[in-house]
Amino acid sequence: DTAVSQTPKYLVTQMGNDKSIKCEQNLGHDTMYWYKQDSKKFLKIMFSYNNKELIINETVPNRFSPKSPDKAHLNLHINSLELGDSAVYFCASSPNTRGSYEQYFGPGTRLTVT
Amino acid sequence: AQSVTQLDSHVSVSEGTPVLLRCNYSSSYSPSLFWYVQHPNKGLQLLLKYTSAATLVKGINGFEAEFKKSETSFHLTKPSAHMSDAAEYFCVVSVLAHNNDMRFGAGTRLTVKP
Repeated sequence: DTAVSQTPKYLVTQMGNDKSIKCEQNLGHDTMYWYKQDSKKFLKIMFSYNNKELIINETVPNRFSPKSPDKAHLNLHINSLELGDSAVYFCASSPNTRGSYEQYFGPGTRLTVT
Repeated sequence: AQSVTQLDSHVSVSEGTPVLLRCNYSSSYSPSLFWYVQHPNKGLQLLLKYTSAATLVKGINGFEAEFKKSETSFHLTKPSAHMSDAAEYFCVVSVLAHNNDMRFGAGTRLTVKP
């Protein structure tokens, strides 16, 4: 009964390829997020969706495109992968956008671009 | 702007001794503050949160944190460290004016020596 799941857990690919990471939550939450964790463990938000609508879009290259088919899923598609995209990507969800709610994180997807 | 600063990038303690991980925050509003823990190659787990109720917050695994508005601090403590506490700890502030966008500190790596 995993709360927030991501697939795949590991992804190794070559520069220039296009890849997707999937995220699903079974908590009934309205809001989902994507974060990037770099090699120094620094976590930065990339996107946030509330009820399938984009509400946060930080300064992220437009090669990254989130897609939310329904409020339980938020997928991340990356075009033309670059070496600098190598990182761990975390999906998260929260009941809504109110600040008092914590976010629940998935296990992460380690992306390695060679 | 809301942000957090974790004052130590690395803390090393002996098993059975107290743990203190320091965090200062900056916020224009009454903040929501969180501590998350990340064990090696794992996702993030919520330890505890402060949301303007009691200033002393108790979390899981014997951790607690005290919100001190006068010092703009939210330090994490534990009376007695256990080997299993070795992990990366993140102090987080929720950006209330930005749809619950969480701003993470740079992290503190806790090492526990036998």
